[in-house]
Amino acid sequence: SQQGEEDPQALSIQEGENATMNCSYKTSINNLQWYRQNSGRGLVHLILIRSNEREKHSGRLRVTLDTSKKSSSLLITASRAADTASYFCATDAKGGSEKLVFGKGTKLTVNP
Amino acid sequence: DVKVTQSSRYLVKRTGEKVFLECVQDMDHENMFWYRQDPGLGLRLIYFSYDVKMKEKGDIPEGYSVSREKKERFSLILESASTNQTSMYLCASGLSGHEKLFFGSGTQLSVL
Repeated sequence: SQQGEEDPQALSIQEGENATMNCSYKTSINNLQWYRQNSGRGLVHLILIRSNEREKHSGRLRVTLDTSKKSSSLLITASRAADTASYFCATDAKGGSEKLVFGKGTKLTVNP
Repeated sequence: DVKVTQSSRYLVKRTGEKVFLECVQDMDHENMFWYRQDPGLGLRLIYFSYDVKMKEKGDIPEGYSVSREKKERFSLILESASTNQTSMYLCASGLSGHEKLFFGSGTQLSVL
């Protein structure tokens, strides 16, 4: 069964605006990762946040993790047309089977 | 730069054919993975390998097998292709378990 579920499924914003995507999961995790996928291509790793971390930054990306609510958010600030892509969260379950489980993704469109 | 190379970008095969999807990484990673990606279902793990000649089943191994004779190469085999195996196939590699996976560009397989 899917561990991570992204919300919203699709998001359309104007260039320069901020984009926020959310991920909820069901069981305790070791870490949570965010990946980006441009149309028809492979996924690119963006950021990893461990279960004992609450917030992490990388350039224009900010990720938060709330283990009590079993949720994470990815914020992209000052979005650009090149940020148009699908964004996936992936969870590494604690004590679970040895695999990374991906959500179904949020499709972000940034309009110029 | 880190690279995961999948042998074909697009592939069209007939039902019943034996299909080989090749994946090569140049990062000396121990861990390699095969996923398939379908609209509405996200990424699902088919097989993975933590070492040469080692393989583990993922969530949907039925109809597939894998081969890892060398560290850098992980092959996915469809013994007798069926139309329900039409999908985008993504190979990935990683250094530490499931952390920070590097993905290939994907192979869009159509089985007619």
